[in-house]
Amino acid sequence: DSGVTQTPKHLITATGQRVTLRCSPRSGDLSVYWYQQSLDQGLQFLIQYYNGEERAKGNILERFSAQQFPDLHSELNLSSLELGDSALYFCASSLRAGSNTGELFFGEGSRLTVL
Amino acid sequence: DAKTTQPNSMESNEEEPVHLPCNHSTISGTDYIHWYRQLPSQGPEYVIHGLTSNVNNRMASLAIAEDRKSSTLILHRATLRDAAVYYCILRLDSGYALNFGKGTSLLVTP
Repeated sequence: DSGVTQTPKHLITATGQRVTLRCSPRSGDLSVYWYQQSLDQGLQFLIQYYNGEERAKGNILERFSAQQFPDLHSELNLSSLELGDSALYFCASSLRAGSNTGELFFGEGSRLTVL
Repeated sequence: DAKTTQPNSMESNEEEPVHLPCNHSTISGTDYIHWYRQLPSQGPEYVIHGLTSNVNNRMASLAIAEDRKSSTLILHRATLRDAAVYYCILRLDSGYALNFGKGTSLLVTP
């Protein structure tokens, strides 16, 4: 158990819909990362927050947005969903942003299926 | 980001050592070498990291070439539970997130 909690574990929805994925980081971790894993693209970094502020952006689509709340949990919002958005979405947390040595702790992922 | 090159797949027998190679010829002086692995149906997990010297921990050893252009993750006695995709990642001094490549899929046979 990494200590990172993601909900829901599974989600099935239709094209054009909007969903929210939630992540609770490990106790004390200030930084949250979101990753997308699909069969053809592998693990893709989407976005990172540190103590409520956006810290780094990866290959995140404009239809996707995220935020980190004062209690440090984070939400990833996916809108106007397309079939290609079907994937595993992982959240990870670490204590310090910008640290080369700080390991990332990953949750078990949220599996999104868009029909 | 500097890139890494790993074999797509490797196979090992149970209870034998496994050497997983990684090439990173464009590595910069401030890049740390990180290894993560992803077991089936799970999120990635940290294995080990290093900068210049070889490193050991309870999971594995990391051997880093003197010129730092390659490294090898060593599992001393592979178990069936070690079957996973292993990712070798370079982390910039000023970078934050880990950029995963395709990794090496390790198959362990009894």
